[in-house]
Amino acid sequence: GALVYQYPRRTICKSGTSMRMECQAVGFQATSVAWYRQSPQKTFELIALSTVNSAIKYEQNFTQEKFPISHPNLSFSSMTVLNAYLEDRGLYLCGARDTGPNYAEQFFGPGTRLTVL
Amino acid sequence: GDQVEQSPSALSLHEGTGSALRCNFTTTMRAVQWFQQNSRGSLINLFYLASGTKENGRLKSTFNSKESYSTLHIRDAQLEDSGTYFCAAGYNYAQGLTFGLGTRVSVFP
Repeated sequence: GALVYQYPRRTICKSGTSMRMECQAVGFQATSVAWYRQSPQKTFELIALSTVNSAIKYEQNFTQEKFPISHPNLSFSSMTVLNAYLEDRGLYLCGARDTGPNYAEQFFGPGTRLTVL
Repeated sequence: GDQVEQSPSALSLHEGTGSALRCNFTTTMRAVQWFQQNSRGSLINLFYLASGTKENGRLKSTFNSKESYSTLHIRDAQLEDSGTYFCAAGYNYAQGLTFGLGTRVSVFP
């Protein structure tokens, strides 16, 4: 089956520091990986979509300078939150899919919960 | 503007009863996914639909792409069904999913 793992599950960082989170796809090719953030009491916002061999597309209000993403192969992606502040706290999810010729289901990891002190 | 309008925002159910959640889309979507977020924050995948209806136990979901909506029906609600339910849809695999704002479901004995 298709599984997505995320590391770490929880992390705490001091305000102004940075932290890196990882996403691992098992059982399928993660041609496309999307990163989302759920701020406290809110829904999930798309941060960016990364497709192997294509440019990473960031949504409005999110930038590469703040959330650099790496997607080096078909099973792994990472995202760093640079200079984290209180407004960056929340649950970060990665969703991966094998794009292929047809629209495909996106499989989600359990998330990395970021607390900023 | 918002592409996914989810309703209701909150729902209270007595054990054994049922209800429906709905997502309306303001643009044509290719597929919809439904999730339950439990008390620990984990997202549980419920359904993926490109069309039609799927059923799994006490849950049933329908996606009508022509009329731009999807529903999730809960029947015979149990306490463990409590949580926040999200629909998420996409119109192109080159885009990520757009999530609804969620429906907080509370099941009471």
